[in-house]
Amino acid sequence: EPEVTQTPSHQVTQMGQEVILRCVPISNHLYFYWYRQILGQKVEFLVSFYNNEISEKSEIFDDQFSVERPDGSNFTLKIRSTKLEDSAMYFCASRYEIGQPQHFGDGTRLSIL
Amino acid sequence: AQRVTQPEKLLSVFKGAPVELKCNYSYSGSPELFWYVQYSRQRLQLLLRHISRESIKGFTADLNKGETSFHLKKPFAQEEDSAMYYCALSPQEYGNKLVFGAGTILRVKS
Repeated sequence: EPEVTQTPSHQVTQMGQEVILRCVPISNHLYFYWYRQILGQKVEFLVSFYNNEISEKSEIFDDQFSVERPDGSNFTLKIRSTKLEDSAMYFCASRYEIGQPQHFGDGTRLSIL
Repeated sequence: AQRVTQPEKLLSVFKGAPVELKCNYSYSGSPELFWYVQYSRQRLQLLLRHISRESIKGFTADLNKGETSFHLKKPFAQEEDSAMYYCALSPQEYGNKLVFGAGTILRVKS
């Protein structure tokens, strides 16, 4: 069964550095999402992406965050200048079309030092 | 605003006992409701969605619009049901994001 894959599984970065989290959605899926989960808290929506543009973003998704689909397979989340509070598990998800369920990757654990 | 509430952080039951994981939601429109499960060290997996009205691994969930609830039930718990369970809502708008509850850890004891 096809899966959403995320790399790396764990990223450790110094505060203030840029970080890029990578996701390969399921190949025929058209809608892409990023979520994050701070330790001990709920899974929170960050951004949704469709047709090469952001369709919705949360208040968490400020100017430090950006998403890109640089080619036909990857979907990336960039944090420009990381802060301690960006430490979290970041999940990528994709779905084929509205009305179908979202499929999640294993997540990337981001640790900011 | 959309909100999902799972009042129990931890639910501990014995094998063979009935299980009910509570979920209440707040949304002015017609949401789509889901239950996702996360077994130890694994990814979030879809368990149920309200529109399909099916039973997966013996679990069922009924949407009650009057009580704005979508409780997950299983008549006889099994040890392999031990996991984290998340209730989630998808509003019928924009990019159809998921709004998650805080999750409930289900622990099934032998």
